Amino acid sequence: GAVVSQHPSWVICKSGTSVKIECRSLDFQATTMFWYRQFPKQSLMLMATSNEGSKATYEQGVEKDKFLINHASLTLSTLTVTSAHPEDSSFYICSAATGTSPYNEQFFGPGTRLTVL
Amino acid sequence: AQKITQTQPGMFVQEKEAVTLDCTYDTSDPSYGLFWYKQPSSGEMIFLIYQGSYDQQNATEGRYSLNFQKARKSANLVISASQLGDSAMYFCAMRANDYKLSFGAGTTVTVRA
Repeated sequence: GAVVSQHPSWVICKSGTSVKIECRSLDFQATTMFWYRQFPKQSLMLMATSNEGSKATYEQGVEKDKFLINHASLTLSTLTVTSAHPEDSSFYICSAATGTSPYNEQFFGPGTRLTVL
Repeated sequence: AQKITQTQPGMFVQEKEAVTLDCTYDTSDPSYGLFWYKQPSSGEMIFLIYQGSYDQQNATEGRYSLNFQKARKSANLVISASQLGDSAMYFCAMRANDYKLSFGAGTTVTVRA
């Protein structure tokens, strides 16, 4: 199957700093990438959808100015958590899809564990 | 809007036995895809099995099979011959015409030796 990487796999930062997480599709071109957040023992919650070359679409309740998403190429999307606070500590997972049909599989990255002190 | 319901927060199963994880869904779209993922403690999402809304036969992948009952809007996952390595959280998910993957709450499976 297709491979999606995330970097870093974990990060610890001080409150008030910004953190950038990269998501790359290694062996395919991803027209659409998705960013999820997962709190311990909970489900994955979709934060935003990004299409290459256009602005991301954020889910209701997700602050677009706090979670900046850039999808500059068909293989790279980045999520920047700006002015991070302890409540932003979570597991962030990206996924990439080759299309938007209901039958297109999404390939998930390994996730990034963010801890804000 | 799509909704996925997993009513079993946790399940215990004896090694080598089969276990069924329940999943019901709700959508008004005629075309949709149903997915099951496994998430071990490492956090990675591992794709297990897929069922399309127009597929006539139930999907099977090795020890995984999906019991698709379209009229009841259910897509239960059956894991046969459970192994210790099957202990993980399992998520049912659906993707319809809004192309977003919606997840259920998940079921934690613990396999006992």
